[in-house]
Amino acid sequence: ETGVTQSPTHLIKTRGQQVTLRCSSQSGHNTVSWYQQALGQGPQFIFQYYREEENGRGNFPPRFSGLQFPNYSSELNVNALELDDSALYLCASSLRHDSGANVLTFGAGSRLTVL
Amino acid sequence: DAKTTQPTSMDCAEGRAANLPCNHSTISGNEYVYWYRQIHSQGPQYIIHGLKNNETNEMASLIITEDRKSSTLILPHATLRDTAVYYCIVRVAINFGNEKLTFGTGTRLTIIP
Repeated sequence: ETGVTQSPTHLIKTRGQQVTLRCSSQSGHNTVSWYQQALGQGPQFIFQYYREEENGRGNFPPRFSGLQFPNYSSELNVNALELDDSALYLCASSLRHDSGANVLTFGAGSRLTVL
Repeated sequence: DAKTTQPTSMDCAEGRAANLPCNHSTISGNEYVYWYRQIHSQGPQYIIHGLKNNETNEMASLIITEDRKSSTLILPHATLRDTAVYYCIVRVAINFGNEKLTFGTGTRLTIIP
């Protein structure tokens, strides 16, 4: 089975620009989450998508938005980029089920630098 | 989700067992303990999880104290490839609001040749 793939791996933007990051879920997974990881910190939860709807959100402003497509792939969009948005953006997929255990499969991330 | 406390860093000799502690004194009865690790420049990787009983898989063992206020991740025979940041996370077993994981800063484990 394929894992989680993210694109692009690296990109550089300037303040005020907009960026779209893409994620393909692991085969068989129906839930996608996005995390932001600043240098030296643990990943911080941005939001999650299930059945193409946002299903939980962390402490991030509305300029962070996302989409999930019928094939469970996902996009993260960030508008009006700020310098502090420079970070590694991680996508994780999982399969929602009733057992309670939640195992996320992470991609390698997209490293965004805002100048 | 309960807060966890981990040492900032640890060293372990190659071939020895690496024991990584985690305190989660405010854990609730319906919260699992999860361990993930992150090797440099990669995304976090799931290692193991447990609720009450000790657990073992091909990667590691998880020892949870009887009162569930702390746990230890054991890598039985550490190799250089085990050098990574290890995150201990507790979260509710079933939360259909979202599958959010709350990461701390983790323990940076360095395996010494």
